[in-house]
Amino acid sequence: GESVGLHLPTLSVQEGDNSIINCAYSNSASDYFIWYKQESGKGPQFIIDIRSNMDKRQGQRVTVLLNKTVKHLSLQIAATQPGDSAVYFCAEGGGADGLTFGKGTHLIIQP
Amino acid sequence: EAQVTQNPRYLITVTGKKLTVTCSQNMNHEYMSWYRQDPGLGLRQIYYSMNVEVTDKGDVPEGYKVSRKEKRNFPLILESPSPNQTSLYFCASSNQGRSRYEQYFGPGTRLTVT
Repeated sequence: GESVGLHLPTLSVQEGDNSIINCAYSNSASDYFIWYKQESGKGPQFIIDIRSNMDKRQGQRVTVLLNKTVKHLSLQIAATQPGDSAVYFCAEGGGADGLTFGKGTHLIIQP
Repeated sequence: EAQVTQNPRYLITVTGKKLTVTCSQNMNHEYMSWYRQDPGLGLRQIYYSMNVEVTDKGDVPEGYKVSRKEKRNFPLILESPSPNQTSLYFCASSNQGRSRYEQYFGPGTRLTVT
């Protein structure tokens, strides 16, 4: 499938600040866009998803924004905590074959 | 506890020696999938299965086989492993339909082929 990419391989933020992780996608036919979190030594964990007919979706401390005009997806984490330190992957889905993942952004939380 | 289990967690083998990585889920999920994760490349799908006896190739299926004889199990088979299959492998499962994108991942199997 077409690739899903991320703007930055590493993002460093201060504890308590808000984090914004960005992702650019290329397949405009995708129905869903998803964010996964992968902590060190573990498998990815689902965070939140958004359907292609939506612009914004909020969860607990997280917000996903979708801009279909420029094919851009972002994950906002409010009041970043040490436990948020992980690699974050965006992914897109829409066909029968499941998900296509981006390369990941490593979020580092500075004390 | 709802989970996806993989065995073994770590494996070092030699080129050409057949191996199987097992994957089992206890959530009665229809959809199961195998991914490999390599530095700088993210997660790439190897094979997936929509249900028992139904399997399909993902993005990087060469050198791998799978089977889905039971709903809960989805083993990954490397008939003749090669060094370029050294990687971190993840099994995942989910329900069908829209919730297919909320996948539950296993802990991973780190494979080294010498």
